[in-house]
Amino acid sequence: DSGVTQTPKHLITATGQRVTLRCSPRSGDLSVYWYQQSLDQGLQFLIQYYNGEERAKGNILERFSAQQFPDLHSELNLSSLELGDSALYFCASSVALVPVDEQFFGPGTRLTVL
Amino acid sequence: GENVEQHPSTLSVQEGDSAVIKCTYSDSASNYFPWYKQELGKRPQLIIDIRSNVGEKKDQRIAVTLNKTAKHFSLHITETQPEDSAVYFCAASSGGGADGLTFGKGTHLIIQP
Repeated sequence: DSGVTQTPKHLITATGQRVTLRCSPRSGDLSVYWYQQSLDQGLQFLIQYYNGEERAKGNILERFSAQQFPDLHSELNLSSLELGDSALYFCASSVALVPVDEQFFGPGTRLTVL
Repeated sequence: GENVEQHPSTLSVQEGDSAVIKCTYSDSASNYFPWYKQELGKRPQLIIDIRSNVGEKKDQRIAVTLNKTAKHFSLHITETQPEDSAVYFCAASSGGGADGLTFGKGTHLIIQP
């Protein structure tokens, strides 16, 4: 157990819908990262938040957005879902920004878009 | 942006033998290189990492080497055991803090009994 929690574990929805994935980082970690893992694209960095502020963007689609709340939990919002959005979504957390250090991954949310 | 290439995609070795997985990266600004192990359906877990000011790091049966000039780094696992069977990912980060990890495509390591 990494100390990072994600809910829900599984999510099944239809094309065109909107879903929200939730992540709670390890106690004391200020930095939260979101990753998407699919068979064809592998593990891809989506977005990073640090202490409530967006710090870096990766391959995140415009239909996706995220935020980090004052209690440091984070939510990833996926809208206008397409079949290709089906994937495993991981949240990871780390203590600080610099020096960059180990990212602890949560158990993931498996999203299936039908 | 950063691009990380990983080889081989599948590696099968006999139990007790050594396994080597290689990665190359493109961004010379990258200075943090972790390796993650992922078992089927589970989260990635860090097994070892190295920073650019170090050429080699070892932790029991696992070692990582880094060649900054050639922009490549490798994972070495000695005396492989059945529980080493998993998918291994290399990654790179600029280390500047405002940066996610760029992962390789992964290597499926199979330990034959």
